[in-house]
Amino acid sequence: DAGVTQSPTHLIKTRGQHVTLRCSPISGHKSVSWYQQVLGQGPQFIFQYYEKEERGRGNFPDRFSARQFPNYSSELNVNALLLGDSALYLCASSSGASRVGGEKLFFGSGTQLSVL
Amino acid sequence: AQSVTQLGSHVSVSEGALVLLRCNYSSSVPPYLFWYVQYPNQGLQLLLKYTSAATLVKGINGFEAEFKKSETSFHLTKPSAHMSDAAEYFCAVSGNTGKLIFGQGTTLQVKP
Repeated sequence: DAGVTQSPTHLIKTRGQHVTLRCSPISGHKSVSWYQQVLGQGPQFIFQYYEKEERGRGNFPDRFSARQFPNYSSELNVNALLLGDSALYLCASSSGASRVGGEKLFFGSGTQLSVL
Repeated sequence: AQSVTQLGSHVSVSEGALVLLRCNYSSSVPPYLFWYVQYPNQGLQLLLKYTSAATLVKGINGFEAEFKKSETSFHLTKPSAHMSDAAEYFCAVSGNTGKLIFGQGTTLQVKP
């Protein structure tokens, strides 16, 4: 069975541009979460989606947005890129069945975004 | 509010020696606790998870962690380090949502 797949694996953009990152969850998983991992730090929560609805949002500016499609895949969009947006963006999927936390998250290999 | 503190950004051990990676948490609700491992240029792989069923949790690759409520700790151990254990390790906590709060990470170096 395929794990969580993310595309592209690497991306180079310039300041002010827009970027779209894509994620396909494990088959049968209905929840997708996005995390930002800056070099040398732990991942930080950006969004969680379940059944196409936003279930949670982290402390990120409105330049960051996401959506989930009927097939449970997801996109993360970042507008007006800043140098500080350079990071590894990780997507994680889970069954989403639990609304009280504690679910195991399965991570993809990430998209490495470089903003020049 | 929840947070995680990993004590020691770098830990170096000899092959065959005990591995001890320290994690302390803060949580206003009963926590779920996790350890993840990240190899270079890869995503995170779950090592183990604590959900209150047992205080000693066994994970993959010979790792285990013990939940100590009185010390608010969830340290990761492995009796004998292997060269393949060299990686970045992250402790994480979640409460009553699906959001994970990660620590800063600990880089484990294994010397031959």
